[in-house]
Amino acid sequence: EVQLVEFGGDLVQPGRSLRLSCAASGFSFDEYAMHWVRQVPGKGLEWVSGISWNGGSIGYADSVRGRFTISRDNAKNTLYLQMNSLRLEDTALYYCAKVPRPYNDLYYFDYWGQGTLVIVSS
Amino acid sequence: DIQMTQSPSTLSASLGDRVTITCRASQSISSWMAWYQQKPGKAPKFLIYKASSLESGVPSRFSGSGSGTEFTLTISSLQPDDFATYYCQQYNNYSPTFGQGTKVEIK
Repeated sequence: EVQLVEFGGDLVQPGRSLRLSCAASGFSFDEYAMHWVRQVPGKGLEWVSGISWNGGSIGYADSVRGRFTISRDNAKNTLYLQMNSLRLEDTALYYCAKVPRPYNDLYYFDYWGQGTLVIVSS
Repeated sequence: DIQMTQSPSTLSASLGDRVTITCRASQSISSWMAWYQQKPGKAPKFLIYKASSLESGVPSRFSGSGSGTEFTLTISSLQPDDFATYYCQQYNNYSPTFGQGTKVEIK
């Protein structure tokens, strides 16, 4: 069974940093591209960042480019999101999500974690 | 970025009703469209990809159609488990975007 478990969300002041992690199990993590998608509670979904199966291809939304860094450790089956210079508007539930097919730079998602909440507030 | 506009924002329907949700893209996305269902407090659930391909395990009452800039998600006979919010998502380029969501409520 595919499982994605995010952690690392917290209450943080504007301008500070936070690192999110997503522990994956139930599939061959090193074969699949992975993504982060966020959702302000009660609002819609926003793609944040994605990384290919081997880390060779990375993309970011304009809203986070230059502040957030996605990475992965295939030996640990873990996806990361380093979030620097956090802003009030980064407050959201952050989901990690898996793509449906291996060795493909796909940008749609068949499994999602339950999310970890990041609150940016002074 | 490609803008996705869903309509309606809210839809009130009864059990057994045929329900159609529309999603329009600001530019052509060919058939690179996915649909998701989300219930309160839960992660989105993947329903449809490539505009009309049903994900394995998704009930056949769900169907998708369209290409270019106009797409629809149809539920042929609304069931109790279908009351939720539905999102479209384009993946035509390396900057995927979602519609704002359509909430399907009990009439």
